[in-house]
Amino acid sequence: NAGVTQTPKFQVLKTGQSMTLQCAQDMNHNSMYWYRQDPGMGLRLIYYSASEGTTDKGEVPNGYNVSRLNKREFSLRLESAAPSQTSVYFCANQQGSGETQYFGPGTRLLVL
Amino acid sequence: GNSVTQMEGPVTLSEEAFLTINCTYTATGYPSLFWYVQYPGEGLQLLLKATKADDKGSNKGFEATYRKETTSFHLEKGSVQVSDSAVYFCALSRPSNTGKLIFGQGTTLQVKP
Repeated sequence: NAGVTQTPKFQVLKTGQSMTLQCAQDMNHNSMYWYRQDPGMGLRLIYYSASEGTTDKGEVPNGYNVSRLNKREFSLRLESAAPSQTSVYFCANQQGSGETQYFGPGTRLLVL
Repeated sequence: GNSVTQMEGPVTLSEEAFLTINCTYTATGYPSLFWYVQYPGEGLQLLLKATKADDKGSNKGFEATYRKETTSFHLEKGSVQVSDSAVYFCALSRPSNTGKLIFGQGTTLQVKP
């Protein structure tokens, strides 16, 4: 089992370009999350999805959109990338509240 | 609000030294507490967790005890190895339907031979 997978692993964008970060799980967990990791700031929640078809904002949602079309996949879209969105992005899943979250390997994004 | 504070790093130790990484939290109710570890170039993985006061989580020689009276969850290991070099994150999850994690800023540990 792959667990949580993310694509791409690395991406360079120019300011104003758009892209979608993909996340997929084969663990059949209900909840999925998108975080960004910046030096000295830990991980900050961007959006999450408690179940298929539902999404909610996290701590830092501005400039991002998400889509949870099915239980397996949860994508993160940057409509108009900005240098402030340069970061490492992690997707995670979780079966239920208080349970362990399982993380993907991350996508490193550089916006020039 | 809910928050997690970790000791600032980096922490540099010699192999076989004793490790403590401090973590304190602020939360309403009775959160679950976690330690996650991130090895270079990888995602986070759960190291240990505790779900109620006085619980002790343990894994791979690491331990942490949920102390409600001091709102702390300090990570300890009696004898570190070079392979323990990583970034360690303390996190909490409030009892709710969302299961969201709130992370500390992370502490980098470097163990030298």
